[in-house]
Amino acid sequence: KAGVTQTPRYLIKTRGQQVTLSCSPISGHRSVSWYQQTPGQGLQFLFEYFSETQRNKGNFPGRFSGRQFSNSRSEMNVSTLELGDSALYLCASSSAGSGANVLTFGAGSRLTVL
Amino acid sequence: AQRVTQPEKLLSVFKGAPVELKCNYSYSGSPELFWYVQYSRQRLQLLLRHISRESIKGFTADLNKGETSFHLKKPFAQEEDSAMYYCALSRNSGNTPLVFGKGTRLSVIA
Repeated sequence: KAGVTQTPRYLIKTRGQQVTLSCSPISGHRSVSWYQQTPGQGLQFLFEYFSETQRNKGNFPGRFSGRQFSNSRSEMNVSTLELGDSALYLCASSSAGSGANVLTFGAGSRLTVL
Repeated sequence: AQRVTQPEKLLSVFKGAPVELKCNYSYSGSPELFWYVQYSRQRLQLLLRHISRESIKGFTADLNKGETSFHLKKPFAQEEDSAMYYCALSRNSGNTPLVFGKGTRLSVIA
Protein backbone atom coordinates (compact mmCIF):
# COMPACT_ATOMS: atom_id res chain seq x y z
CA LYS A 1 0.00 0.00 0.00
CA ALA A 2 1.06 3.56 -0.60
CA GLY A 3 3.11 5.24 2.11
CA VAL A 4 2.68 8.63 3.71
CA THR A 5 2.78 11.34 1.06
CA GLN A 6 3.83 14.88 1.79
CA THR A 7 3.63 17.84 -0.55
CA PRO A 8 5.40 19.96 -1.49
CA ARG A 9 8.77 18.34 -0.93
CA TYR A 10 10.71 21.60 -1.08
CA LEU A 11 9.69 25.21 -0.80
CA ILE A 12 11.30 28.58 -0.29
CA LYS A 13 9.48 31.44 1.35
CA THR A 14 10.41 34.86 2.69
CA ARG A 15 9.90 36.22 6.17
CA GLY A 16 6.34 37.26 6.87
CA GLN A 17 4.77 34.93 4.34
CA GLN A 18 2.65 31.97 5.23
CA VAL A 19 2.86 28.36 4.10
CA THR A 20 0.58 25.33 3.94
CA LEU A 21 1.92 21.79 3.92
CA SER A 22 -0.10 18.73 3.07
CA CYS A 23 0.02 15.14 4.26
CA SER A 24 -1.85 12.08 3.01
CA PRO A 25 -1.63 9.21 5.50
CA ILE A 26 -1.55 5.51 4.82
CA SER A 27 -4.98 4.27 3.86
CA GLY A 28 -6.87 3.29 7.00
CA HIS A 29 -4.68 5.31 9.36
CA ARG A 30 -6.75 7.88 11.22
CA SER A 31 -4.01 9.52 13.26
CA VAL A 32 -1.67 12.07 11.73
CA SER A 33 1.20 13.65 13.65
CA TRP A 34 3.45 16.51 12.62
CA TYR A 35 7.04 17.03 13.70
CA GLN A 36 9.60 19.74 13.03
CA GLN A 37 13.12 18.42 12.46
CA THR A 38 16.15 20.68 12.75
CA PRO A 39 19.86 19.86 13.21
CA GLY A 40 19.98 21.58 16.59
CA GLN A 41 16.72 20.48 18.17
CA GLY A 42 16.08 17.15 16.49
CA LEU A 43 12.46 16.07 16.19
CA GLN A 44 9.99 18.28 17.98
CA PHE A 45 6.31 17.41 18.18
CA LEU A 46 3.93 19.94 16.70
CA PHE A 47 0.48 18.37 16.92
CA GLU A 48 -1.55 15.24 16.32
CA TYR A 49 -4.94 14.86 14.73
CA PHE A 50 -7.32 11.95 15.06
CA SER A 51 -10.71 11.80 13.36
CA GLU A 52 -10.56 15.49 12.44
CA THR A 53 -9.83 16.56 16.05
CA GLN A 54 -6.59 17.87 17.44
CA ARG A 55 -5.77 15.34 20.14
CA ASN A 56 -2.34 16.53 21.23
CA LYS A 57 -0.38 19.74 20.82
CA GLY A 58 3.28 20.55 21.30
CA ASN A 59 4.90 23.74 22.56
CA PHE A 60 4.86 25.81 19.42
CA PRO A 61 3.42 29.32 19.01
CA GLY A 62 -0.03 29.91 17.63
CA ARG A 63 1.46 30.70 14.23
CA PHE A 64 1.60 26.95 13.75
CA SER A 65 -1.78 25.40 13.11
CA GLY A 66 -3.23 22.35 11.48
CA ARG A 67 -6.34 20.53 10.54
CA GLN A 68 -7.51 17.14 9.40
CA PHE A 69 -10.16 16.34 6.86
CA SER A 70 -12.76 13.59 6.84
CA ASN A 71 -10.54 11.45 4.57
CA SER A 72 -7.76 11.72 7.23
CA ARG A 73 -5.58 13.94 5.04
CA SER A 74 -4.00 16.69 7.08
CA GLU A 75 -2.58 20.13 6.48
CA MET A 76 -0.41 22.32 8.62
CA ASN A 77 -0.06 26.05 8.25
CA VAL A 78 2.61 28.41 9.44
CA SER A 79 1.79 32.09 9.31
CA THR A 80 4.11 35.08 9.52
CA LEU A 81 7.16 32.99 8.76
CA GLU A 82 10.39 33.60 10.64
CA LEU A 83 13.93 32.58 9.70
CA GLY A 84 13.88 30.06 12.54
CA ASP A 85 11.00 28.20 10.92
CA SER A 86 13.39 26.81 8.34
CA ALA A 87 13.25 23.08 8.92
CA LEU A 88 12.16 19.71 7.63
CA TYR A 89 8.51 19.17 8.52
CA LEU A 90 7.65 15.53 8.93
CA CYS A 91 4.22 14.00 8.89
CA ALA A 92 3.56 10.55 10.30
CA SER A 93 0.46 8.40 10.41
CA SER A 94 -0.53 5.56 12.66
CA SER A 95 -3.39 3.17 13.14
CA ALA A 96 -5.55 2.92 16.22
CA GLY A 97 -5.26 0.34 18.94
CA SER A 98 -1.98 -1.43 19.70
CA GLY A 99 -0.29 0.19 16.70
CA ALA A 100 -1.11 3.69 17.83
CA ASN A 101 2.47 4.54 18.72
CA VAL A 102 4.03 2.98 15.65
CA LEU A 103 4.53 5.92 13.33
CA THR A 104 5.04 5.68 9.59
CA PHE A 105 6.79 8.81 8.38
CA GLY A 106 6.60 10.67 5.13
CA ALA A 107 9.65 11.99 3.30
CA GLY A 108 9.06 15.48 4.68
CA SER A 109 8.61 18.99 3.36
CA ARG A 110 11.78 21.04 3.52
CA LEU A 111 10.98 24.68 4.18
CA THR A 112 13.57 27.39 3.72
CA VAL A 113 12.70 30.88 4.95
CA LEU A 114 14.80 33.71 3.53
CA ALA B 1 7.07 15.72 31.39
CA GLN B 2 8.78 12.97 29.48
CA ARG B 3 12.33 13.45 28.27
CA VAL B 4 14.66 11.29 26.19
CA THR B 5 18.42 11.76 26.28
CA GLN B 6 20.87 10.33 23.80
CA PRO B 7 24.24 11.39 25.19
CA GLU B 8 26.28 10.74 22.04
CA LYS B 9 25.79 12.84 18.92
CA LEU B 10 28.21 10.70 16.95
CA LEU B 11 29.44 7.18 17.48
CA SER B 12 32.12 5.66 15.27
CA VAL B 13 32.94 1.96 15.39
CA PHE B 14 34.86 -0.44 13.19
CA LYS B 15 33.09 -3.08 11.17
CA GLY B 16 32.67 -6.22 13.23
CA ALA B 17 32.94 -4.38 16.56
CA PRO B 18 30.08 -4.31 19.06
CA VAL B 19 27.76 -1.33 19.06
CA GLU B 20 25.84 0.25 21.92
CA LEU B 21 23.74 3.34 21.37
CA LYS B 22 22.68 4.85 24.68
CA CYS B 23 19.23 6.11 25.53
CA ASN B 24 18.07 7.36 28.90
CA TYR B 25 14.61 8.60 29.69
CA SER B 26 12.78 10.43 32.41
CA TYR B 27 9.19 9.50 33.05
CA SER B 28 7.61 8.46 36.31
CA GLY B 29 5.01 6.18 34.81
CA SER B 30 5.13 3.11 32.60
CA PRO B 31 6.67 4.07 29.27
CA GLU B 32 6.64 2.55 25.84
CA LEU B 33 10.07 2.82 24.21
CA PHE B 34 11.10 2.73 20.57
CA TRP B 35 14.14 3.01 18.36
CA TYR B 36 13.70 4.69 14.98
CA VAL B 37 16.37 4.78 12.28
CA GLN B 38 17.02 7.03 9.31
CA TYR B 39 19.40 5.72 6.65
CA SER B 40 20.94 8.13 4.17
CA ARG B 41 18.30 9.52 1.78
CA GLN B 42 15.58 7.35 3.32
CA ARG B 43 12.63 8.07 5.53
CA LEU B 44 12.64 7.81 9.27
CA GLN B 45 11.40 4.31 10.10
CA LEU B 46 10.72 2.14 13.09
CA LEU B 47 13.55 -0.20 14.01
CA LEU B 48 12.13 -1.83 17.10
CA ARG B 49 9.83 -1.34 20.09
CA HIS B 50 10.45 -2.75 23.52
CA ILE B 51 7.14 -4.54 23.89
CA SER B 52 7.87 -6.66 20.82
CA ARG B 53 11.08 -8.03 22.32
CA GLU B 54 12.33 -8.68 18.79
CA SER B 55 15.78 -8.60 17.24
CA ILE B 56 15.70 -6.52 14.07
CA LYS B 57 18.73 -6.51 11.74
CA GLY B 58 20.70 -7.97 14.63
CA PHE B 59 19.80 -5.11 16.97
CA THR B 60 18.25 -5.63 20.39
CA ALA B 61 17.23 -3.24 23.14
CA ASP B 62 16.26 -3.98 26.71
CA LEU B 63 14.19 -1.70 28.85
CA ASN B 64 15.86 -1.20 32.22
CA LYS B 65 13.36 0.55 34.44
CA GLY B 66 15.79 0.76 37.35
CA GLU B 67 18.32 2.70 35.31
CA THR B 68 15.61 4.30 33.08
CA SER B 69 17.53 3.23 30.02
CA PHE B 70 16.77 1.60 26.69
CA HIS B 71 20.16 1.10 25.06
CA LEU B 72 20.38 -0.31 21.53
CA LYS B 73 22.94 -3.04 20.99
CA LYS B 74 24.39 -5.10 18.20
CA PRO B 75 27.23 -7.59 18.67
CA PHE B 76 28.89 -7.06 15.28
CA ALA B 77 28.46 -3.79 13.39
CA GLN B 78 28.05 -3.78 9.61
CA GLU B 79 28.71 -0.90 7.21
CA GLU B 80 25.02 -0.80 6.31
CA ASP B 81 24.20 0.03 9.92
CA SER B 82 25.57 3.54 9.39
CA ALA B 83 22.59 5.81 9.98
CA MET B 84 20.94 8.24 12.38
CA TYR B 85 19.27 6.51 15.31
CA TYR B 86 16.54 8.07 17.44
CA CYS B 87 15.21 6.79 20.72
CA ALA B 88 11.58 7.66 21.43
CA LEU B 89 9.20 7.38 24.35
CA SER B 90 5.47 7.45 24.79
CA ARG B 91 3.27 7.11 27.80
CA ASN B 92 1.78 3.65 27.68
CA SER B 93 -1.71 4.70 26.75
CA GLY B 94 -1.62 4.75 22.95
CA ASN B 95 -2.99 8.26 22.93
CA THR B 96 0.06 10.41 23.55
CA PRO B 97 2.71 11.77 21.21
CA LEU B 98 6.12 10.21 20.82
CA VAL B 99 8.93 12.23 22.37
CA PHE B 100 12.21 11.78 20.53
CA GLY B 101 15.78 12.11 21.63
CA LYS B 102 18.10 14.26 19.51
CA GLY B 103 19.59 11.26 17.83
CA THR B 104 22.96 9.54 17.51
CA ARG B 105 24.74 9.24 14.21
CA LEU B 106 26.37 5.84 13.91
CA SER B 107 29.29 5.57 11.54
CA VAL B 108 30.65 2.09 10.86
CA ILE B 109 34.16 2.19 9.48
CA ALA B 110 35.32 -0.55 7.12
